[in-house]
Amino acid sequence: AQSVAQPEDQVNVAEGNPLTVKCTYSVSGNPYLFWYVQYPNRGLQFLLKYITGDNLVKGSYGFEAEFNKSQTSFHLKKPSALVSDSALYFCAVRDIWDSGAGSYQLTFGKGTKLSVIP
Amino acid sequence: DTGVSQDPRHKITKRGQNVTFRCDPISEHNRLYWYRQTLGQGPEFLTYFQNEAQLEKSRLLSDRFSAERPKGSFSTLEIQRTEQGDSAMYLCASSQGRGNEQFFGPGTRLTVL
Repeated sequence: AQSVAQPEDQVNVAEGNPLTVKCTYSVSGNPYLFWYVQYPNRGLQFLLKYITGDNLVKGSYGFEAEFNKSQTSFHLKKPSALVSDSALYFCAVRDIWDSGAGSYQLTFGKGTKLSVIP
Repeated sequence: DTGVSQDPRHKITKRGQNVTFRCDPISEHNRLYWYRQTLGQGPEFLTYFQNEAQLEKSRLLSDRFSAERPKGSFSTLEIQRTEQGDSAMYLCASSQGRGNEQFFGPGTRLTVL
């Protein structure tokens, strides 16, 4: 079974400061990991993904995330927060077995509301 | 607009009525997904199609729910005998390839009175 935990319901950060949104996961095999952002009254937008390779992945709007296999984490980061980054952020995982097969369903965390204070 | 589209965007119905939602994926995507999102929660997987074949179904998908993708293009999700607990945002997504991300549509918000 696959699961995702986002331990913080809300993160507040001052504009210009670095931000981190936390995510931990659990899978039976290997993880494909994703971050999505949801603005009010809008659909989910893809930010970045980790499939394989470098543990630090870069995505849209200056966001990046670091995959840590030993800690089963995939935290989202940005060096300097903008007020326009205020939104709901979701971490998601797919479980990929050693054979290369696996489910295509994404399991999402409950989301973290990011508020960037001017 | 070449993104995922969903119709209608909003649906209000009375308990016991049937409703049907439509999703048009990105044209070259062969995989199509349905999720349900309630307030304060992340999306929950309902079902997945590869071309016209329905390959995965969640236990959340009771026998009142049925989904089709008859020609491997658009998909419909029907809910029969709606209940108040069915009130949610129904999201459709599509993807192409094994490791690629899913692109989501704007959703259909269902309110069951």
